[in-house]
This record gives sequence, structure tokens and C-alpha cells, in this order.
Amino acid sequence: EPEVTQTPSHQVTQMGQEVILRCVPISNHLYFYWYRQILGQKVEFLVSFYNNEISEKSEIFDDQFSVERPDGSNFTLKIRSTKLEDSAMYFCASSSFSGNTIYFGEGSWLTVV
Amino acid sequence: SQQGEEDPQALSIQEGENATMNCSYKTSINNLQWYRQNSGRGLVHLILIRSNEREKHSGRLRVTLDTSKKSSSLLITASRAADTASYFCATDLTGNQFYFGTGTSLTVIP
Repeated sequence: EPEVTQTPSHQVTQMGQEVILRCVPISNHLYFYWYRQILGQKVEFLVSFYNNEISEKSEIFDDQFSVERPDGSNFTLKIRSTKLEDSAMYFCASSSFSGNTIYFGEGSWLTVV
Repeated sequence: SQQGEEDPQALSIQEGENATMNCSYKTSINNLQWYRQNSGRGLVHLILIRSNEREKHSGRLRVTLDTSKKSSSLLITASRAADTASYFCATDLTGNQFYFGTGTSLTVIP
């Protein structure tokens, strides 16, 4: 069964460093998403991406964050100048159409120290 | 807030029993999805139910949706120890932005 894959599975970074989280969505999907889950808390929407541009973003997704689909297969989330509170599990997801089932990857644990 | 809220927060049952989890939300939705998450793992999609549907089945899972009450329920029949996980409902407003609840932590005792 096709799946969303994410790398790295776990990354530890120093506060203030830049982090890039990578995702390969399901190949025929058109909509891509990033969510995050701080330990013990809700899964929170960050951003949705369609047709090579952001379609929606939450208030969490500020100037510190950016997304890109550089080569037609990878979908990346960049976090500039990481803060301690950015420590969370970051989930990539994709769907074939808007409003269709969203499939999630296994997540990337980010620990900022 | 649009966020779905599940109840109970925690549920512990014996293997073989049925487990029912509820989700309530605040504003009109296009569809509602249920997910399972094992500790420290990703979200596994279970069922999507659209706003014009009232009930859907998938194996041992049964989901209902009552848009007049803004609520949904997930029933797992004949539970197994492997069903132990957290269960979340996710509601959308626009189709691109889903809001997750805090989840129900289900423990199935063998």
C-alpha cells in the first residue's frame, strides 16, 4: 500500500539552528500538509500546499517556517532559527483531492536543545 | 474553535467488549475523519464520513455522524489487545485544514 515517508525519524538540533524535515508524499496525491504534535498535546495543523503554493496556513506557521516542493517528489518543511518550543513530532500528510482522506507519515521527532 | 473534542479521555475495557468513543465539534463541516495513533507513532486513517452520510462501516469499526448534534461516534466491536491506542477525530472546515481533538486513550485488557 502506498505510504507517506518522512526523514529523518528523529533529529536533535541546537537552538537557533535551521532544520529541514523531508517528506515523500503518496505519488499521485496533489495536496500536501504539515502537522505537528507537541508531546502530550493535540495534533495541530501547520500548512497545506497545492499546485506549488501554500493554500492555507495556521497562526503557528509564521515567518520561521517555510515549505517547498523542490523536485516534484519531495515536500520539505524548513524551520529557521529553531526554538525550544519547536520540539515536537512533525507529521507530513497528503491527499488525492481536497476533502479526501488524508494519509499521514510516521513523523519526524524534532528535539531542540 | 472548530476543534473536535473526544470523550471519554480514557477508556479501559476487556478484550472482546465493544468500545465507543464520541466526538463533538462546533461548526459545520464537510467531513469528519477518525484516526488511530499508537504511542509515538504516526496517525493511521480509519474512516472518513462525509456530512451527508449518517453511518459507515469498515470491518469491526462503525462510525456515525449526527450533524444536527454536531457529533460523531466510533464503535469498535469485539475489541482486541492490538486496538490499544489513542483515537482522534478530525474535522474540516475548508477541506484543507483539519482540526484534531485531544483524543481518547483506549486500553484493551487481554
